[in-house]
Amino acid sequence: GAGVSQSPSNKVTEKGKDVELRCDPISGHTALYWYRQSLGQGLEFLIYFQGNSAPDKSGLPSDRFSAERTGGSVSTLTIQRTQQEDSAVYLCASSQWDRGRENIQYFGAGTRLSVL
Amino acid sequence: AQSVTQLGSHVSVSEGALVLLRCNYSSSVPPYLFWYVQYPNQGLQLLLKYTTGATLVKGINGFEAEFKKSETSFHLTKPSAHMSDAAEYFCAVSEMCDMRFGAGTRLTVKP
Repeated sequence: GAGVSQSPSNKVTEKGKDVELRCDPISGHTALYWYRQSLGQGLEFLIYFQGNSAPDKSGLPSDRFSAERTGGSVSTLTIQRTQQEDSAVYLCASSQWDRGRENIQYFGAGTRLSVL
Repeated sequence: AQSVTQLGSHVSVSEGALVLLRCNYSSSVPPYLFWYVQYPNQGLQLLLKYTTGATLVKGINGFEAEFKKSETSFHLTKPSAHMSDAAEYFCAVSEMCDMRFGAGTRLTVKP
C-alpha cells in the first residue's frame, strides 16, 4: 500500500479480554517495528521483525504480549488478559532496511487502546 | 546499545521566535540520527536525518539540525516559529536495524 496501515484505529476493551492489533507495512519493507506510546510518555520500543523473524523481543513488557509476522508482511500484536495499564497508543513502523543503508522508519497512525 | 536524551519535555516559544530542541545521543558506532514530528492523533513523520557527509542537515518545514560528534548532540532548530509547528518532536538514533527514540519534546507556539 501507499503507507503503513494499522487497524483498528481505536479499540475499547474490558479488563481481562484479549486484543489483536494489526499492522500492514509498506509493500517491500523488510523490517517492521512495534512501539507503545502512553499518555505523556515517549515511544517505548516493543519488538521488531526482520522478515518473519524477531531478533529483539526485549521490549515486550510481559508474557501477556506477543507478536508475529507472516509472509514477511502483515504483523499482529496480541495482548492477552488486558490490564488498565495497557491503555496506550500502539504504533507500527516499517522500513526498507538494508545493511549499510540508513534505517528510515515510516509510521502508521496508530491504534488507540483503551482498557476499561 | 544506543540511547537518546532529549532535554526538556516541554518547550514554549512565541510565534516568530527561534526554536531550539535539544538532543544528545550515545552510540558505539557512527550513528544515524533522525528527528521525527508527531501532530495530534497522527503517527510520526520524518523531519530530517543525518547519515554521513555534511553535518548540517535541512529538513521539511524550515527545520534543520547539526550533528556535533564532539558534543554527541543533534539539536533541532528553526529560525522563526510558526503556529503550525506546535507538535511533539522525537529525536532518534539508529544502529543497523535497531532504532531508539528519545522521550519527546512537546513544542507549544504562543501567538
